[in-house]
Amino acid sequence: RKEVEQDPGPFNVPEGATVAFNCTYSNSASQSFFWYRQDCRKEPKLLMSVYSSGNEDGRFTAQLNRASQYISLLIRDSKLSDSATYLCVVMDSNYQLIWGAGTKLIIKP
Amino acid sequence: DVKVTQSSRYLVKRTGEKVFLECVQDMDHENMFWYRQDPGLGLRLIYFSYDVKMKEKGDIPEGYSVSREKKERFSLILESASTSQTSMYLCASSLEPGQTLYNSPLHFGNGTRLTVT
Repeated sequence: RKEVEQDPGPFNVPEGATVAFNCTYSNSASQSFFWYRQDCRKEPKLLMSVYSSGNEDGRFTAQLNRASQYISLLIRDSKLSDSATYLCVVMDSNYQLIWGAGTKLIIKP
Repeated sequence: DVKVTQSSRYLVKRTGEKVFLECVQDMDHENMFWYRQDPGLGLRLIYFSYDVKMKEKGDIPEGYSVSREKKERFSLILESASTSQTSMYLCASSLEPGQTLYNSPLHFGNGTRLTVT
């Protein structure tokens, strides 16, 4: 079993729709959680950290569920420019980052 | 804006060659990392460094070595390239003064796509 698992997708979503995807992690001692975005043939870039109480950044909302060991990312009013691969990242108790393989999102006009 | 620069965007090498991948960051970051990224797999950590002349093995160090002689530069060396090392290599840095490991995002270079034939 992978330490961090994501549905690879692709998620094909019409522009303007709301889309959500989850990421599960296996280590209950994990400390910090992040979502990175990676455009095609580009490097990953931090999208947002995920806080215990949940947090929002514009159209993006991140949630953490420690009991069920997953984090989620919700994108509202999706734009064509949101098309990318979204990488879930978990920091373990040794400060090591464990990366998911990513969920590919395609926003269609 | 943080800049992480990798010396080559594309490289083609032959089996058995020694390969050097260079990475330079301009933000005085303490930490530097080398990852490889392959389809269907998450980023896998090869080596990392928390300080000059310091290096630690990541998850997949076999066949690789690193050098950090200066704070801003972290080099990845493939001692004898093999076809299994064909991959995208990503360098990253993190940890500005005042940040903690919990809240220090990774800043990546734009990657080196290495093909070993």
